[in-house]
Amino acid sequence: QKEVEQNSGPLSVPEGAIASLNCTYSDRGSQSFFWYRQYSGKSPELIMSIYSNGDKEDGRFTAQLNKASQYVSLLIRDSQPSDSATYLCAVEGVRDNYGQNFVFGPGTRLSVLP
Amino acid sequence: GAVVSQHPSRVICKSGTSVKIECRSLDFQATTMFWYRQFPKQSLMLMATSNEGSKATYEQGVEKDKFLINHASLTLSTLTVTSAHPEDSSFYICSARNRPYGYTFGSGTRLTVV
Repeated sequence: QKEVEQNSGPLSVPEGAIASLNCTYSDRGSQSFFWYRQYSGKSPELIMSIYSNGDKEDGRFTAQLNKASQYVSLLIRDSQPSDSATYLCAVEGVRDNYGQNFVFGPGTRLSVLP
Repeated sequence: GAVVSQHPSRVICKSGTSVKIECRSLDFQATTMFWYRQFPKQSLMLMATSNEGSKATYEQGVEKDKFLINHASLTLSTLTVTSAHPEDSSFYICSARNRPYGYTFGSGTRLTVV
């Protein structure tokens, strides 16, 4: 059973601070990694994807991947109250016997305090 | 970017009736679409993988006779909740894989069975 784990939070940070969200996964064959943001009552929206070890930056967001440690993180710089949402880590690997190869973590709830 | 359109966004139905939810990929072809269910304050749970021109693959514990999936074309997948009951009330979300954008989600359907 493939697993993706995240701290459920809530993670509270003051406005302007850096928010750090972490994710670990169990399947060493995982190849693609995604961070989604989900506001309450809405569907997830893609923030970033990362496929190789290292950092990937996009505006205020930086994704970090370490395949050896089976760890992926998301940093949000200059956090804003509008960043308050649940952040879902998703991992894509080799299709298993049930046809599933894309697994979501439980999500981390982020609260940015004004 | 990739757009997935999902309708209806909200539906209320009587117990025992059936409800159909549509998911369309608007600017790309999706041979595979995914159907998720999300209960309040919980993460997304994959229900089934919809394959164009063939039978859907259901996750363990999901009743295939209750949740009918049809993927008749490369841009349309439908989920029909048959003989709906109050416990089927949930947020249903479809998604499709469109490289290099990752998985794009529809806007979701809030189903309430009364």
